[in-house]
Amino acid sequence: LAKTTQPISMDSYEGQEVNITCSHNNIATNDYITWYQQFPSQGPRFIIQGYKTKVTNEVASLFIPADRKSSTLSLPRVSLSDTAVYYCLVGDPSSLSGGYNKLIFGAGTRLAVHP
Amino acid sequence: NAGVTQTPKFRVLKTGQSMTLLCAQDMNHEYMYWYRQDPGMGLRLIHYSVGEGTTAKGEVPDGYNVSRLKKQNFLLGLESAAPSQTSVYFCASSYSTESENEQYFGPGTRLTVT
Repeated sequence: LAKTTQPISMDSYEGQEVNITCSHNNIATNDYITWYQQFPSQGPRFIIQGYKTKVTNEVASLFIPADRKSSTLSLPRVSLSDTAVYYCLVGDPSSLSGGYNKLIFGAGTRLAVHP
Repeated sequence: NAGVTQTPKFRVLKTGQSMTLLCAQDMNHEYMYWYRQDPGMGLRLIHYSVGEGTTAKGEVPDGYNVSRLKKQNFLLGLESAAPSQTSVYFCASSYSTESENEQYFGPGTRLTVT
């Protein structure tokens, strides 16, 4: 199973770009990289998913180098409402239909955005 | 469209009591999941289901049972609750693609076992 390592916490200020890096040295060929956001007392919310290179959507970008041993979630111009815990999830979704689970959540990065 | 709903939102049990947590989704998702989240930690998968009538074990299945009799519902049972099962329980659902795995989570059930 691909073990992930993220910083425990980060601080930023409103309007800045925030980059959160996740290390996953033993990522497997079929593994995808997914990021979730979680606010206190709520369930996680999907942010973005990728396999290689760069993926961008309306809220974030995900950068994945060629060796795929790490990935970086980029949040442009954060606001106070982006204060949350961000989870990097690396695994193979197809493993579920095979009767085994390779989707493991890490401990997450607690992002605090200050005025 | 309610998404994923969980019942109840809060519950206090005494050691040895039993209970069932109900998860319902209205998105016609094939896959459903039960997670637990302990303070300051990430989510750990308890059990999951890839379709009606099927279930499988996750990372921490001991002490829990599940059933998926209807596609839209996924039940999590605790037969004999223990203080170690005090946690927040999240249900999630997703489509059954082989690549993407965007999971939609419910609001959670906070369970305390005394």
